[in-house]
Amino acid sequence: DTEVTQTPKHLVMGMTNKKSLKCEQHMGHRAMYWYKQKAKKPPELMFVYSYEKLSINESVPSRFSPECPNSSLLNLHLHALQPEDSALYLCASSQEASGLSGYTFGSGTRLTVV
Amino acid sequence: GQNIDQPTEMTATEGAIVQINCTYQTSGFNGLFWYQQHAGEAPTFLSYNVLDGLEEKGRFSSFLSRSKGYSYLLLKELQMKDSASYLCAVRFIRSNDYKLSFGAGTTVTVRA
Repeated sequence: DTEVTQTPKHLVMGMTNKKSLKCEQHMGHRAMYWYKQKAKKPPELMFVYSYEKLSINESVPSRFSPECPNSSLLNLHLHALQPEDSALYLCASSQEASGLSGYTFGSGTRLTVV
Repeated sequence: GQNIDQPTEMTATEGAIVQINCTYQTSGFNGLFWYQQHAGEAPTFLSYNVLDGLEEKGRFSSFLSRSKGYSYLLLKELQMKDSASYLCAVRFIRSNDYKLSFGAGTTVTVRA
């Protein structure tokens, strides 16, 4: 298995809703990432987990809450989002946080906040 | 930021060659990746350079000059399916943290 799987592929949520994005990989990678990508913009790093511990938080608002329950799973909990949070959310993984062996990206969750 | 710059758009004809340039801030440089991304899809890995020189992979080649903070991606024998955004991504190391940062992407349109 050489993939990063993200669910759901599409999500529409209201500003008062609570939802979660899920990411899974079975490549034995010990680093996992969340990126946010707005239309026609580059992916922007949000969080990095290394060995299931949060190592980088790029000053992301607290309405986004990451969780890494085990080495294969990465969640992003969403609460009280704003319409400007609508974007493609990409999960990625690498063998180590150094990324020396490259990064594998999931196909993303297209989030729309209404 | 890491000042990763690449052209916004390029257009070329099927069968032709296109070169996409990327410049970046050299401080903390630790490797450069090129990704292809079709609209609404995940970036897919094309190439990786960490030492100076040319890496060739089929129709795609990538070049790196670390002293100049410069890379290019060369796409040969263009096909219609090559129409996509091409992202230059640089891995930087700062205070023992590695970060992968992306340029804004170059949209390549291949015309028949």
